[in-house]
Amino acid sequence: SQQGEEDPQALSIQEGENATMNCSYKTSINNLQWYRQNSGRGLVHLILIRSNEREKHSGRLRVTLDTSKKSSSLLITASRAADTASYFCATASMEYGNKLVFGAGTILRVKS
Amino acid sequence: EAQVTQNPRYLITVTGKKLTVTCSQNMNHEYMSWYRQDPGLGLRQIYYSMNVEVTDKGDVPEGYKVSRKEKRNFPLILESPSPNQTSLYFCASSLSATRWEQYFGPGTRLTVT
Repeated sequence: SQQGEEDPQALSIQEGENATMNCSYKTSINNLQWYRQNSGRGLVHLILIRSNEREKHSGRLRVTLDTSKKSSSLLITASRAADTASYFCATASMEYGNKLVFGAGTILRVKS
Repeated sequence: EAQVTQNPRYLITVTGKKLTVTCSQNMNHEYMSWYRQDPGLGLRQIYYSMNVEVTDKGDVPEGYKVSRKEKRNFPLILESPSPNQTSLYFCASSLSATRWEQYFGPGTRLTVT
């Protein structure tokens, strides 16, 4: 299985609710990054969290990192219809050299 | 505006007809990379380049070539496309391979018949 795996695969919520997506990985990492992709478009970087950090915020986004559990979560608060997209985690690890390893993504649908 | 551009955005071609997808970035990034995205398989790296004249294979390099003659450009070449190369392709650039965020192009949807 892949280095980064997101959970759930798909999530459907009402506008205004919070959305939480999780990412688990296998090796020790240097950093973990979250990206958003609107349907058929290029990925957009959201947040990068380094291995010595536990939590980062950016607007309505909150990312946590638990290196002991090899997992990260992305929380989107007060979701909007415009947040409808696929969300990917990507890990940077010495084991994988000069590349980010992307998970399969979580498809988020926010209903208005 | 900082951006990565790809051309063409859409391409339908036939098996065996050589094609090139161009990629250009205006951020003076050293690192550039090509990915393909397929349903159920996620994003897979094809080739990457750490700097001018330095390229290396990613996870799925078979059937592709790249070159990095200038810092801003990183074209992807399919010498003899086959139907299994039908996919959505993304170019990305970054200050470094993994320590900083990657900037993605808008994608090229390729269909090989």
